Formats: sequence, C-alpha cells, structure tokens
Amino acid sequence: DSGVTQTPKHLITATGQRVTLRCSPRSGDLSVYWYQQSLDQGLQFLIQYYNGEERAKGNILERFSAQQFPDLHSELNLSSLELGDSALYFCASSVGQGAGGELFFGEGSRLTVL
Amino acid sequence: DQQVKQNSPSLSVQEGRISILNCDYTNSMFDYFLWYKKYPAEGPTFLISISSIKDKNEDGRFTVFLNKSAKHLSLHIVPSQPGDSAVYFCAASPFFQGGSEKLVFGKGTKLTVNP
Repeated sequence: DSGVTQTPKHLITATGQRVTLRCSPRSGDLSVYWYQQSLDQGLQFLIQYYNGEERAKGNILERFSAQQFPDLHSELNLSSLELGDSALYFCASSVGQGAGGELFFGEGSRLTVL
Repeated sequence: DQQVKQNSPSLSVQEGRISILNCDYTNSMFDYFLWYKKYPAEGPTFLISISSIKDKNEDGRFTVFLNKSAKHLSLHIVPSQPGDSAVYFCAASPFFQGGSEKLVFGKGTKLTVNP
C-alpha cells in the first residue's frame, strides 16, 4: 500500500461526457502528479501540483484540467470525452517537488469511454 | 519521439535464472535513472535507481547497470523468483535540471518467471 488513494477504480462512460478522478496523496506529501497510461504506452506525464499551485504541465489536453485543494487532495477533470481517452490514469505523490523521480503511485483509475 | 525505450515488450525466464531487462535512452541530459515494478491492478512501485556518477547499483537480488556512452541501462534480477513476474518500467530524468515532473517513462517490459 503506497498510501496514495485514487477513486473511482473503474469508470465507464460515453463519448462527450465529463468525469472527475480523485486522488488523496500520502500523508505529508505536498506534490501530486497525474499520469496517463494508454494501451501499450508508457506513463505519460499530464500535470503536477505542489502545495495547491500548478507546478508543471506535460502532455495534457485542453479538455483536461486539474486542481489541488487546501487539504492537498487533487482532482483531474476530463471533459468532452473521446474514445481515445480510454486509459489508466495514475496519481502519484512526493514529499517535495520531486527528488528526481521517486514517486509513490496510487492504484489507478481505469476509464473506459464507449 | 520516444526518449526512453524498452524494446522488449515481454521476457520469460525460469525460476532461479537471471532476468535481464534492457532500456535505452536518447536524451543526453538524463542523469538519474529508475526502475519501477508494476503488478496487475496496482500502481507502479519504485524498485531501484542509479545516478549518472555511478555505473552500478545493487540492492539485494536487483542490480542496475548504466553505460553512459551507449545510453543504455539494464536491470538484472538474480535469482529470479515467480513473485518477480510483473511489468518493469524504466524511467529517466534530468535530476539536476528539474524535479520529478521531468521523469520520462518507457513503455515497460512484462517479465514472467516460470516455476
């Protein structure tokens, strides 16, 4: 158990819809990262928040947005969903802004868009 | 452009033998390398890392080798055990030029250790 909690674990929805994925980081961790893993792809970095502020952006689509709340949990909002958005979405956390890479991952949220 | 490549999608070995997982990278700015292990229905977990000032790092049955001139690293598992069966991700970052947001992952290699 990494201490990172993600909900929901599974989500099935239709194209054009909007979903919200939630992440609670490890106790004491200030940074939250979101990654997307599509079929046969590696983990693609989407976005990072540190202590409530956006810290870095990766390959995140404009239809996607995220935020980190004062209690440090984070939400990833995916809108106008397309079939290609079907993927595993991982949240990870670290104490600081990241010591070069050692992150603690949640179990992921599997999104299926039909 | 794939900066971190794991060219073998899968690898199968016998229990007790050595498993060697390979990873190549293209970005010469990468100076910190990690391996993560992922079991089904779980998130990736950190396994072992190596910085560019070393060419070898060992932790129990796991050893990572780094060949900077070839931009190649490998993970050796000796002896392999059935519980090692998982997907292994290679990752790299420019440690001294940013934080973990610059971490780049490969596509993973699925290791199966047969009893």
